[in-house]
Amino acid sequence: SYELTQPPSVSVSPGQTANITCSGDQLGEKYVCWYQQKPGQSPVLVIFQDTKRPSGIPERFSGSNSGNTATLTISGTQALDEGDYHCQAWDSSIAVFGGGTKLTVL
Amino acid sequence: VQLQESGPGLVKPSETLSLTCNVSGGSINNYYWFWIRQSPGKGLEWIGYITYRGTTNYNPSLKSRVTISEDTSKNQFSLKLISLTAADTAVYYCARDLSPVLTHAPGYYGMDVWGQGTTVIVSS
Repeated sequence: SYELTQPPSVSVSPGQTANITCSGDQLGEKYVCWYQQKPGQSPVLVIFQDTKRPSGIPERFSGSNSGNTATLTISGTQALDEGDYHCQAWDSSIAVFGGGTKLTVL
Repeated sequence: VQLQESGPGLVKPSETLSLTCNVSGGSINNYYWFWIRQSPGKGLEWIGYITYRGTTNYNPSLKSRVTISEDTSKNQFSLKLISLTAADTAVYYCARDLSPVLTHAPGYYGMDVWGQGTTVIVSS
């Protein structure tokens, strides 16, 4: 079965850039979505089609996807960006999620 | 559009879980409608989806135990999961994938609306 691998945790200082990776076989050939989830809340879509932001998502959120790795980049990270980030892609009509990455803003 | 899950919070092992997702502020006609769960301290797990045309698709790991159905007259869709074990303890979410059913596969626009989630505990 297809797997997406994320680092369990990423730490970043306020104002700096956070990069969260998601790895999978030939992932660059698939569309990747990213979801932000704060404690006790439902996930929120922050990136779709690898690079696109839904309405209302700040411009500091961006995405890329090439080869075997997709990356969510948060520029000028703020304390309110803390939470879990989940990547997701489709493989053979099956939705697959990564294990999630906990972003800490120190 | 808002989604609201409802169902029992506690279910006994070997029994059947039935959850309903009520869709308000928009029609269930069009798009893909998902069930997703999250076990305590774990990541998200896709359970399956249904379209307004009644087409379903399930996670192979759960396929033998899952049924997703819809009631377009009530603008809601439902999840049935049989033969529960403790491993099914999770927060269960319903969600909408904004990809138009007639022209796109799911995932093109992503899951843009989620319910608040309902906690299900499997215990005797």
